This record gives sequence, C-alpha cells and structure tokens, in this order.
Amino acid sequence: QLQLQESGPGLVKPSETLSLTCTVSGGSISSSSYYWGWIRQPPGKGLEWIGSIYYSGSTYYNPSLKSRVTISVDTSKNQFSLKLSSVTAADTAVYYCARNGAPRYYGSGSYIYWGQGTLVTVSS
Amino acid sequence: DIQMTQSPSSVSASVGDRVTITCRASQGISSWLAWYQQKPGKAPKLLIYAASSLQSGVPSRFSGSGSGTDFTLTISSLQPEDFATYYCQQANSFPLFGPGTKVDIK
Repeated sequence: QLQLQESGPGLVKPSETLSLTCTVSGGSISSSSYYWGWIRQPPGKGLEWIGSIYYSGSTYYNPSLKSRVTISVDTSKNQFSLKLSSVTAADTAVYYCARNGAPRYYGSGSYIYWGQGTLVTVSS
Repeated sequence: DIQMTQSPSSVSASVGDRVTITCRASQGISSWLAWYQQKPGKAPKLLIYAASSLQSGVPSRFSGSGSGTDFTLTISSLQPEDFATYYCQQANSFPLFGPGTKVDIK
C-alpha cells in the first residue's frame, strides 16, 4: 500500500521560503507514469491545488502561485519537495502531498493517495 | 484558466435522503472530473474519477454523471457517515478544485 508523509517546519516567518518534503513508501516515485502533487487548505477554507510533478520531472503549477512555487523530486530518497517563496499569512494552511491514479484513466488529477497533511503557520 | 464552481455551497439533509451536488467548469473538460469527500481533520478521499467511475471501495450509493461543463454527484440514500464536505476537481491540465459543498444534518 502506497503511503505518503509530509515533513517540514510548522512555523515560517513572513517573506521567507516554505519548504516541505513528501516521503513516499510502498512504491517507487520514479517507477511509473504518475503525477505527484501538492495541495493546501487554509484553516476553515477549501482545497487549493498548488502544483504537481510528473515522474519524468515535468512540473505543472497553479497559475496563481506559479511565480513563487518550485516542486522537485529526489528519486534517490523517494521524495518530492515543495518550495514556496515570499510567504505571507495567507499561505498559512494544511499542506498535503498526493498521487493520482493511472493517468490514462484518472487524468493528471484524481488523487487516490494522500498524506495526512501538515499545518504550516506563517507568523513572525 | 478553467474555473470550477459548485452548487449549492451547503445542503441540509436527513438520513435516507437523496442528495445531488452540481459542479460546473468554465470550459469543456470532457469527462476529466473527480469528486472527493472530506471530513474534518482528514485528508480528502477520492469517490469518483472520470466523471462517473466509482473509485474502488466506495459505496455504490455514490454516483457521478456529466461531461463537458456540467457534472453531478448523487448520493442515493444519505448515511450518517456521509455528512462531510464534497469537492469537485478538474482532473486534467491544471487540476483545480471547486469551492466545496457542505452536507450537514437537517
């Protein structure tokens, strides 16, 4: 069973860079044609897709966040990472990592596997 | 950019009720539409993919329909464990989410 686990600082100062890592277990991050995504949810609000990385390394970002987001993959550690620069209080949210189903049937979204989420607070 | 809308934003229903939630895309997305259920403090759970395909392990009282720009999630007979928030998601290109529909107890 594939499992995903987010890790990183729970508190980030305004204007700094938020950095999170998603560790994948139960499967290889590079073995098949899946999309590995980051999604966030501000307290009491809805889900926001941040971006995703294809197993080949191609990246796709939400246009509203594109200028501040970088997603990368480290196949040697079976991890993928999120960096969000110049954060403000509006970036306070629970951050989830996720993986879709086979794109042929599920598309690049349709996330089947999710991490438990990690709360990141932006505050001085 | 494709925008996703949902209606209603909330619905009050009783156990056994039939509940229908609508999702609309600002441009045609073929059948690339997913539905999720989220309970407080938990990660979302995929219910439906490709507009009408039931994800493995999801009860058959959940069903999805639609294509192009208009989609529907139906819960045929609401169960106590179904009180939650439901999100649609465009499942291709930029997989943006709809704003959500909260189903609560009447």
